Amino acid sequence: DVKVTQSSRYLVKRTGEKVFLECVQDMDHENMFWYRQDPGLGLRLIYFSYDVKMKEKGDIPEGYSVSREKKERFSLILESASTNQTSMYLCASRSTAYNEQFFGPGTRLTVL
Amino acid sequence: AQKVTQAQTEISVVEKEDVTLDCVYETRDTTYYLFWYKQPPSGELVFLIRRNSFDEQNEISGRYSWNFQKSTSSFNFTITASQVVDSAVYFCALSVRSQRIYNFNKFYFGSGTKLNVKP
Repeated sequence: DVKVTQSSRYLVKRTGEKVFLECVQDMDHENMFWYRQDPGLGLRLIYFSYDVKMKEKGDIPEGYSVSREKKERFSLILESASTNQTSMYLCASRSTAYNEQFFGPGTRLTVL
Repeated sequence: AQKVTQAQTEISVVEKEDVTLDCVYETRDTTYYLFWYKQPPSGELVFLIRRNSFDEQNEISGRYSWNFQKSTSSFNFTITASQVVDSAVYFCALSVRSQRIYNFNKFYFGSGTKLNVKP
């Protein structure tokens, strides 16, 4: 079974802090994704990576950056957290051999 | 442009009722994939089914069935004899090949339908 794990289920940070959200997959998938999910807005793509060290902006990249130094790990970075970044963050991975994305359990981030 | 519409924001049914979740998609690509995911209260999206654009056969898996109709650009999901454990948010998604990145598909998610199954 594909396993996607995220470093925290719940996280509380203060405005202005630098925040790291980590995602690890164990199936050697090429593609990885970061989404945020807000009520009424569905899933919105923040960034994705189609291979190691390759990253692309999604639909809402402002205020975020990412890092993919190893194939199994994709990090989302909030350089200076703001209250409007309070949200559920979902990581996903996808093999190019198949098409479905497999999701991690999510991190619910609260920025005070 | 690609788009997925789930017009039903929230549905409430009583246990054992049948319920259909609607999904309408838009794409000009001839090759694409459609998906359904379930998100229970715990938060993790669980993959349910994948369909490619060349396979219009309906699929049944236990109490779940999917109806794919290219003529109406719809990929509807029916739960027969619903149970309380079916309560979740259900997402429909579309995947099409990127024109720019080799061997990469971009995903488009609908806004989700929240299903409440009451005992």
